[in-house]
Amino acid sequence: QKEVEQNSGPLSVPEGAIASLNCTYSDRGSQSFFWYRQYSGKSPELIMSIYSNGDKEDGRFTAQLNKASQYVSLLIRDSQPSDSATYLCAVKEPRSNDYKLSFGAGTTVTVRA
Amino acid sequence: GAVVSQHPSWVICKSGTSVKIECRSLDFQATTMFWYRQFPKQSLMLMATSNEGSKATYEQGVEKDKFLINHASLTLSTLTVTSAHPEDSSFYICSARPGFGNQPQHFGDGTRLSIL
Repeated sequence: QKEVEQNSGPLSVPEGAIASLNCTYSDRGSQSFFWYRQYSGKSPELIMSIYSNGDKEDGRFTAQLNKASQYVSLLIRDSQPSDSATYLCAVKEPRSNDYKLSFGAGTTVTVRA
Repeated sequence: GAVVSQHPSWVICKSGTSVKIECRSLDFQATTMFWYRQFPKQSLMLMATSNEGSKATYEQGVEKDKFLINHASLTLSTLTVTSAHPEDSSFYICSARPGFGNQPQHFGDGTRLSIL
């Protein structure tokens, strides 16, 4: 079983709709979770971090964490063509003193104008 | 804040050449830096973790003599691909994080390496 799994996509949504991205992780001791956005040919860019159960909102992005279910999600509201990218879920390895991250394979989102 | 600069952006060179890539944290001190490689349509693959003033920790399957990492200061780490061959062509990305609290990794812009 992979440490971090994401819905494989690609995910195609119409402009203005909500894009929902899911991520599960295998290590119950994980405490820190991140969503990165990666445009084609570019490096990842941090868009959200979440550490506590519940929702965290930042602009059009909402991250949701449920540690009991080992599940973290990202919602993109009012999706725009500029949101078209690959979204990477990352989980800090709980026993890493160096703050190593385990990454999911990514979900590619395409927002249709 | 938390800006990471990576240089060069693109490198094209002949087989057998050694290539050095620099990663700098511009507005914070990075106790730890990470080096990743990414092939087309694939996710990030961690190559090594670099701590200032000590030897890098390489992931399984990554040749430490092939990929030399130096982290001589709190703001600079370098990756040298020695005697590069076409199969080393890839997108190399560094990341860094401030050495305190729950700070996430911040990525440089990456270096696209093409070996002819």
